[in-house]
Amino acid sequence: AQKITQTQPGMFVQEKEAVTLDCTYDTSDPSYGLFWYKQPSSGEMIFLIYQGSYDQQNATEGRYSLNFQKARKSANLVISASQLGDSAMYFCAMRENNAGNMLTFGGGTRLMVKP
Amino acid sequence: DAGVTQSPTHLIKTRGQQVTLRCSPKSGHDTVSWYQQALGQGPQFIFQYYEEEERQRGNFPDRFSGHQFPNYSSELNVNALLLGDSALYLCASSLLGAGNQPQHFGDGTRLSIL
Repeated sequence: AQKITQTQPGMFVQEKEAVTLDCTYDTSDPSYGLFWYKQPSSGEMIFLIYQGSYDQQNATEGRYSLNFQKARKSANLVISASQLGDSAMYFCAMRENNAGNMLTFGGGTRLMVKP
Repeated sequence: DAGVTQSPTHLIKTRGQQVTLRCSPKSGHDTVSWYQQALGQGPQFIFQYYEEEERQRGNFPDRFSGHQFPNYSSELNVNALLLGDSALYLCASSLLGAGNQPQHFGDGTRLSIL
């Protein structure tokens, strides 16, 4: 089974609107962390937001928030007030405590912001 | 504060050749991880180095090897290159034990095998 699943290969959003990118995960480790990264066409991976498995509140970082539903094993990224510069690939990744420090990535979602 | 730097940016090799990619971690970081990202896919973990030792390894053949130097910089070596090794190779650095801190990535080396 896939450890990280991103079911939306591509998405369009109108500038200034909000968008939700889906991520579901599979682990039996009670201690894990979930990360979202943005990858522009230049290739660099830019860290956006982190959610720990024991965190009681959903993480927020500026325009980014994470809708963490632990029982459903989902960690969706919400981007508010989309900007043209948000057009990029977005990757959800998981670090399992029992798996050391390695990250397991999903297949990514390409977000395109329309003016 | 310099981030993660990788060299070279692009590289073209032919099948059967060997290649060495280089990475300098973010200042203050002691752990370096390498990932392979094939076109249209998410990155896949190759291995991680800490204290000059390979600490963890993903599902990659031993044609892929690495090294970490006392200054924490790292090299990724790939022998007997195959067409399927064409990918973006990403280096990420972190501080061991800081589990909730993100790994910081470089811009990657784009390797093309002809």
